[in-house]
Amino acid sequence: DQQVKQNSPSLSVQEGRISILNCDYTNSMFDYFLWYKKYPAEGPTFLISISSIKDKNEDGRFTVFLNKSAKHLSLHIVPSQPGDSAVYFCAASAQTEGNNRLAFGKGNQVVVIP
Amino acid sequence: GAGVSQSPSNKVTEKGKDVELRCDPISGHTALYWYRQRLGQGLEFLIYFQGNSAPDKSGLPSDRFSAERTGESVSTLTIQRTQQEDSAVYLCASSLALMNQPQHFGDGTRLSIL
Repeated sequence: DQQVKQNSPSLSVQEGRISILNCDYTNSMFDYFLWYKKYPAEGPTFLISISSIKDKNEDGRFTVFLNKSAKHLSLHIVPSQPGDSAVYFCAASAQTEGNNRLAFGKGNQVVVIP
Repeated sequence: GAGVSQSPSNKVTEKGKDVELRCDPISGHTALYWYRQRLGQGLEFLIYFQGNSAPDKSGLPSDRFSAERTGESVSTLTIQRTQQEDSAVYLCASSLALMNQPQHFGDGTRLSIL
């Protein structure tokens, strides 16, 4: 049962434009959400996170938005750079249940065109 | 190094053999996790260690899978009598045992069962 869903498996965007990645979840107990970036043959690299008490978190070019009522979060990358070309994973955990394990989406391939 | 280290990076073995995968977490991280990623899929949780608490083994797919951790350092994941469906990238992550702390991943072990 996929608790974290990422649709639109791939995204192509011009350098300098905005990349928007979306993620939906089904478990209402999730209270901590993360985005990871993954290059081939490497492990996922942590990008940005947000706890359920917030609706926005920003770090440089990366902003994560959380809509708890819709069980939806998104990652905005602006401006997109060629080095951003990678697979992006959305992940979530239910920390207040004492459960720190992450549930992952299947990932989105992003290609930034120079 | 300062990151999570996993070995071997690649392992090819025959069906029915046992394999042992190793993970060295980031120093000071008391929480350690194993995940696996099968081709085209997201990461699946396997097992979670936190300090001296009993590990959360709820993600292990069968009794052929086991894991140990020595104190708050090295962990090994053992797969006995390997099957072809065990072929995957096995990823280890570690984190501080505090709220809202991201997990940091190693580069994984790519396991291929012939």
